[in-house]
Amino acid sequence: KNQVEQSPQSLIILEGKNCTLQCNYTVSPFSNLRWYKQDTGRGPVSLTIMTFSENTKSNGRYTATLDADTKQSSLHITASQLSDSASYICVVSERSNYQLIWGAGTKLIIKP
Amino acid sequence: NAGVTQTPKFRVLKTGQSMTLLCAQDMNHEYMYWYRQDPGMGLRLIHYSVGEGTTAKGEVPDGYNVSRLKKQNFLLGLESAAPSQTSVYFCASGLTGSTYNEQFFGPGTRLTVL
Repeated sequence: KNQVEQSPQSLIILEGKNCTLQCNYTVSPFSNLRWYKQDTGRGPVSLTIMTFSENTKSNGRYTATLDADTKQSSLHITASQLSDSASYICVVSERSNYQLIWGAGTKLIIKP
Repeated sequence: NAGVTQTPKFRVLKTGQSMTLLCAQDMNHEYMYWYRQDPGMGLRLIHYSVGEGTTAKGEVPDGYNVSRLKKQNFLLGLESAAPSQTSVYFCASGLTGSTYNEQFFGPGTRLTVL
């Protein structure tokens, strides 16, 4: 069964610190992997999209990595800011029908 | 550009009542989607549309109907609401269903069914 699992479920860090969120998936055949940021009460917003051949992609202080062999991805946030407080969702697209398989998200709280 | 808008933002229904959620996009996207988001779970696709006049079932279509009479609008209907349909509903739109199918989301509608 196609699944996307994220860890940790929640994370609290101090402003200015770095953090890494994890995503493991069993989706096959694989098309691409995305990371979304969802602020409380808002819709998800895309941060990065990576295909099979891309190992890393950055968007400002956000850097996503992909290991298609082990079916793992991570999202690294550098020098966290209060505005980074949100849920971060890993989403994998299946190549056969481009169906999106959504993870449950990691809720990140940045404390001053 | 307003992007993707949804109305209403909040709604409370009694079991058995009906309602329609409206989604509108001004980006001329062909694809539109309705998702529901429940606590502790990933977004689940209810229905989607690949163009004006077309609709298709997603992962959890039961209890919902949709219509896409105009390219810019995608309506989600609940004919007889049930407490299990209490959720946050998101509409999204995108250009194509190909590899980089970027989806743009609306702000959501929080629905409570008593």
